[in-house]
Amino acid sequence: DIQMTQSPSFLSASVGERVTLSCRASQNINKYLDWYQQKLGEAPKLLIYNTNNLHTGIPSRFSGSGSGTDYTLTISSLQPEDVATYFCLQRNSWYTFGAGTKLELK
Amino acid sequence: QVQLKETGPGLVQPTQTLSITCTVSGFSLTSYYMQWVRQTPGKGLEWMGFIRSGGSTEYNSEFKSRLSISRDTSKNQVFLKMNSLKTEDTGVYYCARGGLWAPFAYWGQGTLVTVSS
Repeated sequence: DIQMTQSPSFLSASVGERVTLSCRASQNINKYLDWYQQKLGEAPKLLIYNTNNLHTGIPSRFSGSGSGTDYTLTISSLQPEDVATYFCLQRNSWYTFGAGTKLELK
Repeated sequence: QVQLKETGPGLVQPTQTLSITCTVSGFSLTSYYMQWVRQTPGKGLEWMGFIRSGGSTEYNSEFKSRLSISRDTSKNQVFLKMNSLKTEDTGVYYCARGGLWAPFAYWGQGTLVTVSS
């Protein structure tokens, strides 16, 4: 089974700051990596699919990159509404979620 | 527009069977894979299994022995049944649309299941 490790587990950042979240797979996942945002009490919401494709309606301040085992979600200018937990999901071999990064405002 | 909604029992006793219904609208179950994902305090988000657009199923080996996914296309409903429930199965259960090489683009709001006597 593929394991997904997200870092950091918790991140505090200021409005307008550039934020980078990481996800590492235990083996090559061929860019089948998605990012989801989950706000308190809500279902996860797709942000980025296949490493770097922005889902419909998602603001362009969100972007993704990576290859092989290492992937990154970047928020170019953090907004108050971005406070949430962010999960990665690999779809290369069945499906495995990361444990999440909780993002808060400083 | 695409909508998914889970309906579950809320409270289930240990050793009993969980049944959840996902009712969808805005698309046909015969055109998309449907997934079941749960979120528990102990293990976070876990993929449970899916039913293909053609009706066949695949399950996470963690649940394979006690999980069943089925559907009624005439009612636009997908069903999850899991037996031998334990307190560790307490969590929020989601249905989502997506699969094979497609992301989970649409999710229901989730249904909270508490396993307790």
